[in-house]
Amino acid sequence: SAVISQKPSRDICQRGTSLTIQCQVDSQVTMMFWYRQQPGQSLTLIATANQGSEATYESGFVIDKFPISRPNLTFSTLTVSNMSPEDSSIYLCSVDLLGLNYGYTFGSGTRLTVV
Amino acid sequence: TQLLEQSPQFLSIQEGENLTVYCNSSSVFSSLQWYRQEPGEGPVLLVTVVTGGEVKKLKRLTFQFGDARKDSSLHITAAQPGDTGLYLCAGSGDYKLSFGAGTTVTVRA
Repeated sequence: SAVISQKPSRDICQRGTSLTIQCQVDSQVTMMFWYRQQPGQSLTLIATANQGSEATYESGFVIDKFPISRPNLTFSTLTVSNMSPEDSSIYLCSVDLLGLNYGYTFGSGTRLTVV
Repeated sequence: TQLLEQSPQFLSIQEGENLTVYCNSSSVFSSLQWYRQEPGEGPVLLVTVVTGGEVKKLKRLTFQFGDARKDSSLHITAAQPGDTGLYLCAGSGDYKLSFGAGTTVTVRA
């Protein structure tokens, strides 16, 4: 199965600043997915990142707040911009190496605290 | 938006007891997946069920997909402390996964 390296694993940031999270996969994948998991809650899809095109954002998430890059088939970044304490969450990247209907592989997540 | 309801939200049992977690929806899914997440880690796929009525066994874990492909259950026999974690169900459809709210399982030694 794929290995996903996500970094940083955690960070504490000042409000108003931005943080870029990196996700590296050891295999080429068409789509990469970014999720947010707020404390004690489930996973919410932020956006789907396709190589060579703009990311597709879910309702409630916008590109200005969560810009995404996908420069090649093994790498993606998610930036959390102009952060506020409400952005404190775990951010996870994932890939569907097995196909949507068969299961995702997740990175270990980035635990972000905004103070 | 497809909504998956998971129950119970929390479950605390003694080692050796059995437990069942339920995942229900009014929507039909192409497949339903179960994940376990431990603190500081991402979710790890346990199983995928695709066919209505399907039953899969993974050692002490038994997964069932409802006949109408709208609901699923996870049953753990003789739970062990290593089974402790957050269990998430996820349904696939509309080119994306929708996750349930999760069940936090604690198995006391």
